[in-house]
Formats: sequence, C-alpha cells, structure tokens
Amino acid sequence: KNEVEQSPQNLTAQEGEFITINCSYSVGISALHWLQQHPGGGIVSLFMLSSGKKKHGRLIATINIQEKHSSLHITASHPRDSAVYICAVRSKWDGGATNKLIFGTGTLLAVQP
Amino acid sequence: GAGVSQSPSNKVTEKGKDVELRCDPISGHTALYWYRQSLGQGLEFLIYFQGNSAPDKSGLPSDRFSAERTGGSVSTLTIQRTQQEDSAVYLCASSLRDKYGGDTEAFFGQGTRLTVV
Repeated sequence: KNEVEQSPQNLTAQEGEFITINCSYSVGISALHWLQQHPGGGIVSLFMLSSGKKKHGRLIATINIQEKHSSLHITASHPRDSAVYICAVRSKWDGGATNKLIFGTGTLLAVQP
Repeated sequence: GAGVSQSPSNKVTEKGKDVELRCDPISGHTALYWYRQSLGQGLEFLIYFQGNSAPDKSGLPSDRFSAERTGGSVSTLTIQRTQQEDSAVYLCASSLRDKYGGDTEAFFGQGTRLTVV
C-alpha cells in the first residue's frame, strides 16, 4: 500500500462543475502539498498546508490532520484546469533528518467545454 | 533567474554513457531536492540537500547515481553507465527552511527529460 493515496485516479468533468480530489496518507507529516502538472510541463506548487484550509482563487485545499486526509476543490471548473494534480506529504522533520516529499500517483483531470 | 533552472532540458544518450544533469536553485534557498518521474509513474524521491548537513541519499536507486551540491547552491546529478530504465524526467526543486526547522513551499524546475537509447 502506498503511503499516499489519491482518488480518483482519473476525473472527467464538464466546464463549470465543482471538483473534489482526495488524498489520504498513512505517515506522520509536517506539511502537505498540492501540485499541478500540465502535460509536458513542469510542476507548480498550488498549496502547502499543515492545518485547516487555504483558498487561492477558485482553488480550495483542506486538511484534517487527525483523519490524515486532505481535499483539493476546484470551483467553477474550466478547461484550462485540465492537468494532473498531485498530493505530496512532507515526512515529519526530525532535527536534521530527511525532509523529503512522498508523492501520490496523481489525479488526471480533464475538464470538457 | 527568478525560478529553479535545470539544464539540459532534454538529453538523449547511449546506453553505458555517463550523464550529468544540472540544477540552479532559487538564490538563497537552502534546501534542494532531486526527484524523477518515469513514464506513467509518479514522482520518486532521489536525494535531498539541506545547507551544510549531510545529504539524504536514501532515494538513489543504485550506486550509479550520485549528486553533489557545491557551495550550497548549484547541484549536479550524475548517472554513470546509463541504462534504459534510467529514462525519465529528472526534476529539481528548492525551498527555504522555516523558523521551525522545516522546509517551506518547494519550487520546481522544468525538469530534464533523459532518454537512454
């Protein structure tokens, strides 16, 4: 079992729909990242959060530390939102020990006009 | 530059040759990461540098892989005697250390697409 699981793996939506992508993890973390990767493109960091909720434009990210779960929401989705969305957790920092990211396998989102 | 810069953007090499991939992190970022993404696979951690601390090499897949970070800035990932399974996009990211000792948001480079033929 992967330490970071995302669902769904693939998602097709119609323009304007509200979208939710879920991420569950099994390790202790210091932070969780949501990343966006366009086809053939680089990776852009959308959010880094360790508690509560963050909002940026039409994107909202929430995290529940007790349940080890995070969600990424996209409101009023648009075809330009089509991309792979990746959840990554930062393993708990331990006074100089590793601070690496552990990645989920990603959710491929296609928003149709 | 303002972002993380990687070079080359594309590299095609013959099996058995050595390759060097370069990463220029954002100026002032003390943390630097190398990841790779094989075709159809998720991102895989390779190595992590933080300031002058010993790097975390736990993700390097074999002893053919090594990385250096000179002067706490530029990093070079070297793959010796390349194999076809080394073909992947190699991504570099950098971040700052926050006041609690953890790393802040990571900024990614565009990656180097390595093809071993």
